[in-house]
Amino acid sequence: KAGVTQTPRYLIKTRGQQVTLSCSPISGHRSVSWYQQTPGQGLQFLFEYFSETQRNKGNFPGRFSGRQFSNSRSEMNVSTLELGDSALYLCASSSDRDGNTIYFGEGSWLTVV
Amino acid sequence: SQQGEEDPQALSIQEGENATMNCSYKTSINNLQWYRQNSGRGLVHLILIRSNEREKHSGRLRVTLDTSKKSSSLLITASRAADTASYFCATSGSARQLTFGSGTQLTVLP
Repeated sequence: KAGVTQTPRYLIKTRGQQVTLSCSPISGHRSVSWYQQTPGQGLQFLFEYFSETQRNKGNFPGRFSGRQFSNSRSEMNVSTLELGDSALYLCASSSDRDGNTIYFGEGSWLTVV
Repeated sequence: SQQGEEDPQALSIQEGENATMNCSYKTSINNLQWYRQNSGRGLVHLILIRSNEREKHSGRLRVTLDTSKKSSSLLITASRAADTASYFCATSGSARQLTFGSGTQLTVLP
């Protein structure tokens, strides 16, 4: 079974631009969540989607948004990028039956210059 | 925001020794999970312990949970150089939302 797949793995953007990151969950998983990891703030929850609906949202500004498609694939978008948005963005998925175990992808490294 | 702290922040041991990492958290939980992260990579799920469990084993891993003290420990026995990584505890309540600790950087010297 393939794991959580994230694309792209690395990207560099300029301040003020916007970025879209993509995530394909483990087959059969309908819950997809996103996390941001930075050296200063550590790992922080962004949002969680289930069946195309956002169920939970972390404490991030409205520039951070996401969506989930009918095939459970998810995207997150960051608009008007700031230098502080440079981070590793991790996507995770979990199943309906064992929602407790959450599996992560390799992440997307975003550098804002 | 971070759920709590992990202790120690960094740990350096010789191959073959045991490594113990501790995690404290602040709120009531449904379960606690431990993850490993190699430099620049994603998080690998190691083990989950539910709030009504006190101890769990998986291979060379042993996890304990003390809900009265809001703390957990991860023991890695007979460490190998390949165990070198950052280790994070993460708690969750009713929602599928993990709150992570600050992590322990483990270095296993050959």
